[in-house]
Amino acid sequence: QVRLAESGGGVVQPGRSLRLSCAASGFTFSSYGMHWVRQAPGKGLEWVALIWDDGRNKNYVDSVKGRFTISRDNSKNTLYLQMDSLRPEDTAVYYCARDRVAVAAQMLDCWGQGTLVTVSS
Amino acid sequence: DIQMTQSPSSLSASVGDRVTITCQASQDISNYLNWYQQKPGKAPKLLISDASNLETGVPSRFSGSGSGTDFTFTVSSLQPEDIATYYCQQYDNLPLTFGGGTKVEIK
Repeated sequence: QVRLAESGGGVVQPGRSLRLSCAASGFTFSSYGMHWVRQAPGKGLEWVALIWDDGRNKNYVDSVKGRFTISRDNSKNTLYLQMDSLRPEDTAVYYCARDRVAVAAQMLDCWGQGTLVTVSS
Repeated sequence: DIQMTQSPSSLSASVGDRVTITCQASQDISNYLNWYQQKPGKAPKLLISDASNLETGVPSRFSGSGSGTDFTFTVSSLQPEDIATYYCQQYDNLPLTFGGGTKVEIK
């Protein structure tokens, strides 16, 4: 079955970096766009970033532009989120999610279980 | 950015009640609107896509309607397992944006 499994979360000091990974299985990873979505404790959902099927296009929410980088390795069926210059307001559960299409942003039809990132001194 | 305004932010209803949630977009988004269900401690789940298309395996008591700027999500007969927070999401433009959520509880 389709499965997404995030890893790499943890506690990190402000200004430091962290890299999240999302291992995909049960579908042809290279045929789908992929997203990161986050949820601050007790808050709603916030879209963070999108990468097209072959990685040639990437988009970000303004609050993370220049600090976060989304990437993928289709040979390893893995999605990444490199987070630099972390701020306390980046504290959230980070979900990876599959888009139904390859080269646009539409609907997120499969989600991982999430990984918690806490930015605190 | 397109703002999505959901109401109410929370509601309490009895088993068997009809529950309605509204979502308003800050500009015309055609039918580029999805609905998600998030149960406590779990990841969101896509229930309805393109404003009114029920995802495979989703019970028929769930439905969606609307186009343009005004959308409605309905549970025709609330069940105990429907306790969750529901979110709308637009995909007319990036950034993708979600409504603030509606927490549904059993009275």
